[in-house]
Amino acid sequence: DAGVIQSPRHEVTEMGQEVTLRCKPISGHNSLFWYRQTMMRGLELLIYFNNNVPIDDSGMPEDRFSAKMPNASFSTLKIQPSEPRDSAVYFCASSSGTERETQYFGPGTRLLVL
Amino acid sequence: GENVEQHPSTLSVQEGDSAVIKCTYSDSASNYFPWYKQELGKGPQLIIDIRSNVGEKKDQRIAVTLNKTAKHFSLHITETQPEDSAVYFCAATGYSTLTFGKGTMLLVSP
Repeated sequence: DAGVIQSPRHEVTEMGQEVTLRCKPISGHNSLFWYRQTMMRGLELLIYFNNNVPIDDSGMPEDRFSAKMPNASFSTLKIQPSEPRDSAVYFCASSSGTERETQYFGPGTRLLVL
Repeated sequence: GENVEQHPSTLSVQEGDSAVIKCTYSDSASNYFPWYKQELGKGPQLIIDIRSNVGEKKDQRIAVTLNKTAKHFSLHITETQPEDSAVYFCAATGYSTLTFGKGTMLLVSP
């Protein structure tokens, strides 16, 4: 079975540009999570969807970040405009139930904003 | 909200030794405690988890113990091997999303 798929795997962009990260969860999973990982702050939950509906977006840093899940098999995380401090690895994870079920992580997107 | 503390931040052992990583949590309502292993350039992968109705769980060389009274849980790896080298994360949740510890970098030397 295919795991969580993320694209692109690496992204280098200049400050001020729009960045879109993509995620395809495991088929049949109804919960999707976006995380950001940095050395300083570790793994931080940005937003959590259940059945395509955003449940908890309290971790979204600011209005420059937005996430959508138009259907059960696709989600995007957009940063507009991007800033150097957004440089991090962004992970998407999915699970078959609530937050108390196993989350399966994708390989991540390594973002560098110059 | 939940706060998870993880220690140590780095751990170096010789191949064949045991390794122990400890975590504490703050929310007494937490009842699910997974452990993830992250290898370089990859996403975290679940290696073992425990729920609050169980005190200990083992899976081959890996075991997790939970003390709900003290609000701490630990990961034990026996007979460590070089391929165990990675960053390990603990996490906890009750009725909210998972909160992760800051991670432990485990280095197993041959």
